[in-house]
Amino acid sequence: AQKITQTQPGMFVQEKEAVTLDCTYDTSDQSYGLFWYKQPSSGEMIFLIYQGSYDEQNATEGRYSLNFQKARKSANLVISASQLGDSAMYFCAMSPMEYGNKLVFGAGTILRVKS
Amino acid sequence: DSGVTQTPKHLITATGQRVTLRCSPRSGDLSVYWYQQSLDQGLQFLIHYYNGEERAKGNILERFSAQQFPDLHSELNLSSLELGDSALYFCASSAELAGGRYNEQFFGPGTRLTVL
Repeated sequence: AQKITQTQPGMFVQEKEAVTLDCTYDTSDQSYGLFWYKQPSSGEMIFLIYQGSYDEQNATEGRYSLNFQKARKSANLVISASQLGDSAMYFCAMSPMEYGNKLVFGAGTILRVKS
Repeated sequence: DSGVTQTPKHLITATGQRVTLRCSPRSGDLSVYWYQQSLDQGLQFLIHYYNGEERAKGNILERFSAQQFPDLHSELNLSSLELGDSALYFCASSAELAGGRYNEQFFGPGTRLTVL
């Protein structure tokens, strides 16, 4: 079974600064995907970034990057140059590759960007 | 806009009742997933359909059932509702079933169910 742990219930960051949201995972699967989703107060789930377990390079998507450390089973999200619109709940999730792409989510981290 | 639609947006009902939540996936997507988001359980996978067939079940109660129709839209049926069923129910779709590089799941806006 897969498990995602997000140890930071809430985080504050100053506008224009970078912030790291922590995520550790546990799985016995050899192939898996790691994801980050953003959920603003409006409730929708917005896909941010994906990292495959066999990808050698860390994923980047604009201001988002995923710091993937496979040996430590961590997949931290780094948001650079934070904006007020980044204030939201952030979920780390994982999925096995072999069969069925169901997502297993962590508890989430609430990020508040201060001006 | 993810391209996934869900209706209704809000639903308020009483304990013991039955409701149906509807989801239309993105055009061309064959996979539909249902998730439940509640304060005490977080985001949980319920069930996955691919091209009309059930593919995987998660923590879905026996009082809940789902199906995917030939036009690929899906319905989640919740019966004998209890207070604890109050939650945000998401539908997500993706293009392929499994294997290879993951196909991103696109989430609908959700249906907020309140059971009184």
